[in-house]
Amino acid sequence: DTGVSQDPRHKITKRGQNVTFRCDPISEHNRLYWYRQTLGQGPEFLTYFQNEAQLEKSRLLSDRFSAERPKGSFSTLEIQRTEQGDSAMYLCASSWGPDTGYTFGSGTRLTVV
Amino acid sequence: KNQVEQSPQSLIILEGKNCTLQCNYTVSPFSNLRWYKQDTGRGPVSLTIMTFSENTKSNGRYTATLDADTKQSSLHITASQLSDSASYICVVSGGSWGKFQFGAGTQVVVTP
Repeated sequence: DTGVSQDPRHKITKRGQNVTFRCDPISEHNRLYWYRQTLGQGPEFLTYFQNEAQLEKSRLLSDRFSAERPKGSFSTLEIQRTEQGDSAMYLCASSWGPDTGYTFGSGTRLTVV
Repeated sequence: KNQVEQSPQSLIILEGKNCTLQCNYTVSPFSNLRWYKQDTGRGPVSLTIMTFSENTKSNGRYTATLDADTKQSSLHITASQLSDSASYICVVSGGSWGKFQFGAGTQVVVTP
């Protein structure tokens, strides 16, 4: 599979618990992006990596959110002390350069109960 | 204010009919504009990508147009099929690292 893979596809967690999502980008892609999408809305930018460097973070990414891309390959997005408002689809995308193919994963659907 | 505005927010069309979706943007500088199709519960899938110099691009029954002067784009779906039911998202790229600005999407429902 040469696409962008995200794991898990679905996650249900209790409020206050921590969750971690993983994204495996297309192997040749050096840029990796995380987005959050709520029902009926377009994706909202969370953060962006070029190789292992996290170059930009949205103000949406509160101190409960942290993302890493330790070796410039896969990335993880962790949410600590989850809140019901964190319920959303979390999308990962990767690209090679700013103007080239930009491929999304299928997303991780988070439900906080 | 969102720099990418899409209209209509939703539409219902009969199978076999055509429809056109609109995207207006204010993103500057402009690099490229993409249309994505997103099925419910799935990630967006790219349909077309157009740069400043391109006016039209087709992908099967999907045809996108771009007017970079007026900063408007449209996506035309010809002879719609039930499988075209999805959200269609306009994404505009610009800025130093190609930051992407997303529209809220147009929800298309094709009925038999």
